[in-house]
Amino acid sequence: AQKVTQAQTEISVVEKEDVTLDCVYETRDTTYYLFWYKQPPSGELVFLIRRNSFDEQNEISGRYSWNFQKSTSSFNFTITASQVVDSAVYFCALFQGAQKLVFGQGTRLTINP
Amino acid sequence: DAMVIQNPRYQVTQFGKPVTLSCSQTLNHNVMYWYQQKSSQAPKLLFHYYDKDFNNEADTPDNFQSRRPNTSFCFLDIRSPGLGDAAMYLCATSRDPELPTDTQYFGPGTRLTVL
Repeated sequence: AQKVTQAQTEISVVEKEDVTLDCVYETRDTTYYLFWYKQPPSGELVFLIRRNSFDEQNEISGRYSWNFQKSTSSFNFTITASQVVDSAVYFCALFQGAQKLVFGQGTRLTINP
Repeated sequence: DAMVIQNPRYQVTQFGKPVTLSCSQTLNHNVMYWYQQKSSQAPKLLFHYYDKDFNNEADTPDNFQSRRPNTSFCFLDIRSPGLGDAAMYLCATSRDPELPTDTQYFGPGTRLTVL
């Protein structure tokens, strides 16, 4: 069965701290895709990144970086020098096929000034 | 520019009174999805349209229906809302569901309250 686990339900840090959101997935597929979405208080799910199972290179986009490790089935997300605007719920998701995204339970991140 | 638009953003209905939620898109995407997201939970796929083909998830209650009159619009109909149907309803679109690289783009959601 396909499953995504985000063990951290809530994280609270002070502005400018670095923070890492964990994501662990389960799949029997050899080809799969992983996503991160951000859901701010407004409710819209904002696409952040997509990673395929054949590309294990880490990716950096500004203050955001992602660490994909197939050996541990993890796809962790780090925000460097966090800002109050980063406060949101973050979802990790696995593309299951048949047009289906399987979401983790989400991590609520609060950045305090 | 808004790409996936949902109206209304907030909807209040009474127990058992039919309600329709609306989604429109300016992306000309082939696929439109409806998700239900209850408080502090992950989004749950209800169904999706690939062009005019309707695909229902196995565990979606019969109380939930959908219509897609054209490429741009998709509606979610809840025939007899119960208290347990109070949730955020998210609409999403994608170009081609057969492409696992295809990204789903979400609207801002409609928060449904059932009194």
